[in-house]
Amino acid sequence: QQQVKQSPQSLIVQKGGIPIINCAYENTAFDYFPWYQQFPGKGPALLIAIRPDVSEKKEGRFTISFNKSAKQFSLHIMDSQPGDSATYFCAARVGSSNTGKLIFGQGTTLQVKP
Amino acid sequence: DSGVTQTPKHLITATGQRVTLRCSPRSGDLSVYWYQQSLDQGLQFLIQYYNGEERAKGNILERFSAQQFPDLHSELNLSSLELGDSALYFCASSVEGILNSPLHFGNGTRLTVT
Repeated sequence: QQQVKQSPQSLIVQKGGIPIINCAYENTAFDYFPWYQQFPGKGPALLIAIRPDVSEKKEGRFTISFNKSAKQFSLHIMDSQPGDSATYFCAARVGSSNTGKLIFGQGTTLQVKP
Repeated sequence: DSGVTQTPKHLITATGQRVTLRCSPRSGDLSVYWYQQSLDQGLQFLIQYYNGEERAKGNILERFSAQQFPDLHSELNLSSLELGDSALYFCASSVEGILNSPLHFGNGTRLTVT
């Protein structure tokens, strides 16, 4: 119940393509769903986040779609660029707003070919 | 640069040994979190401290312990090391009292146990 399942494990797209990464969860007590981007040798960095009372959120070329009834959410990267090549993690927060305890998905390695 | 500093960057040690990982949070952040990243387990939450007090605990082994000092820096102590403890250890910090304040991750300490 505390898991977040992420797919696919890896993804290769051409420049300009729209990679989509999917996550699913079981615990309805999760109340905050961030996406993190990680480059080799660096720590994860927050990309975009959504709360379950919102169905979609856009920030620049990144969009989260959230389906509360299906307990699924996904990240879309519009007009993907080679610089977007990184590992992406979805996550879910459990607990009160005073804790940052996040449950992470297994990660998706994205390669954007020029 | 996230503003979170972790030292050392790399650590190589033998089984049975004890090591200490250090983290300095971003200026003004009262909460510090420790995460373990391994190939098979992904990013796993270990423990959270808030202003010197333990706030949340995850799947942290009894051989591992942490503390947060009055100057807010934190240390993660790993003892009786086993080969399976080889992983990236990340520290993150956040501002408390602000709903959904993001976690800011350091660049990690890569621990290799031989």
